[in-house]
Amino acid sequence: ETGVTQSPTHLIKTRGQQVTLRCSSQSGHNTVSWYQQALGQGPQFIFQYYREEENGRGNFPPRFSGLQFPNYSSELNVNALELDDSALYLCASNREGWSTEAFFGQGTRLTVV
Amino acid sequence: AQTVTQSQPEMSVQEAETVTLSCTYDTSESDYYLFWYKQPPSRQMILVIRQEAYKQQNATENRFSVNFQKAAKSFSLKISDSQLGDAAMYFCAYIAIQGAQKLVFGQGTRLTINP
Repeated sequence: ETGVTQSPTHLIKTRGQQVTLRCSSQSGHNTVSWYQQALGQGPQFIFQYYREEENGRGNFPPRFSGLQFPNYSSELNVNALELDDSALYLCASNREGWSTEAFFGQGTRLTVV
Repeated sequence: AQTVTQSQPEMSVQEAETVTLSCTYDTSESDYYLFWYKQPPSRQMILVIRQEAYKQQNATENRFSVNFQKAAKSFSLKISDSQLGDAAMYFCAYIAIQGAQKLVFGQGTRLTINP
């Protein structure tokens, strides 16, 4: 099995710009979740995609949006970047149901200047 | 709303000794899972151990074990025979079986292993 891979690993954006982060889920996994981890904090749930549909959303504004593709890979898009969006963005994939283990990628470190 | 609290921002232990990390949570759900994740400097979250709330028996994985007290809503992690490779951030997390399938994480505990 291939693991969860995220790209890019690091990037720097200017306030007001837009960014797209990518996640390739583990083989056989149809559920992808995105989390934001601010420095020194625990991850916060952004949203989840299951079979290409949004399946739950955390307390994040609409400028955070996502997609899941037929191969179950996923994108996280953030519009109108703010300084507080600087964080580590983690993607996790799992098979249906939480009786199975979720696997995390290594994250994308986003810095907004 | 579910919350997870880790009251120890940092812990340290001598190599080969035992350390316990604390976690409490709040929920009105009866069916849920609890997890301990390890996050080394590589940033990737690694599952250490999982506990199903309906199971009374505490989960064990090699040197890692938990003390799950459902009535007290407490879920501590015990690491025996600590090794240098155990040094990392440790996060306690909760997920409800019903409703939004989201992990709720605590703030984390930074564990240092002293040689």
